[in-house]
Amino acid sequence: DQQVKQNSPSLSVQEGRISILNCDYTNSMFDYFLWYKKYPAEGPTFLISISSIKDKNEDGRFTVFLNKSAKHLSLHIVPSQPGDSAVYFCAARISGGYQKVTFGTGTKLQVIP
Amino acid sequence: DVKVTQSSRYLVKRTGEKVFLECVQDMDHENMFWYRQDPGLGLRLIYFSYDVKMKEKGDIPEGYSVSREKKERFSLILESASTNQTSMYLCASSLAASGRIEQFFGPGTRLTVL
Repeated sequence: DQQVKQNSPSLSVQEGRISILNCDYTNSMFDYFLWYKKYPAEGPTFLISISSIKDKNEDGRFTVFLNKSAKHLSLHIVPSQPGDSAVYFCAARISGGYQKVTFGTGTKLQVIP
Repeated sequence: DVKVTQSSRYLVKRTGEKVFLECVQDMDHENMFWYRQDPGLGLRLIYFSYDVKMKEKGDIPEGYSVSREKKERFSLILESASTNQTSMYLCASSLAASGRIEQFFGPGTRLTVL
């Protein structure tokens, strides 16, 4: 049972344009959401997070939006750069679940120069 | 610079062998995790530990065990390796403080079981 879903396995975007990566979840007990970026042959690195009490969080070129009623979050990257080419994972934590998170299946982003 | 290190980047083992994957973190983190990453399946949690000698099963613990004798070290053990355990194994750690739940990952171990 995949509780965190990333339905787009891949995405291609021109350099300078906006990249939008989507994530859907099914468990209403999730209270914290995170995005990680992963380059080949490296471990994932934390990118940005959002608490369920917020609907938006920004950090430089990266913005995460949360729509709780739709159980949907998205990561916007503006402007996209070739160095952003990586696999992006969204993850979610259940309230009271220690630090355990559930990851999505990932979306491979390619930014074309 | 914070660091999570894993004992091997690449490992090749034979079916039935006992395999040890070691993970060490230098951040004094309470929590440590073992995941496996497979194409199309994302990261799946095998086991985690929130304190020395404490462990909890993740989503796919079958065929694995873990050991945490020291705070900085978390070992994943494949008691009898099988071909379906060929995968990328990732170790991570995090603080126990509820306000900061991001996990820090090691570079991964690519395990091939023949």
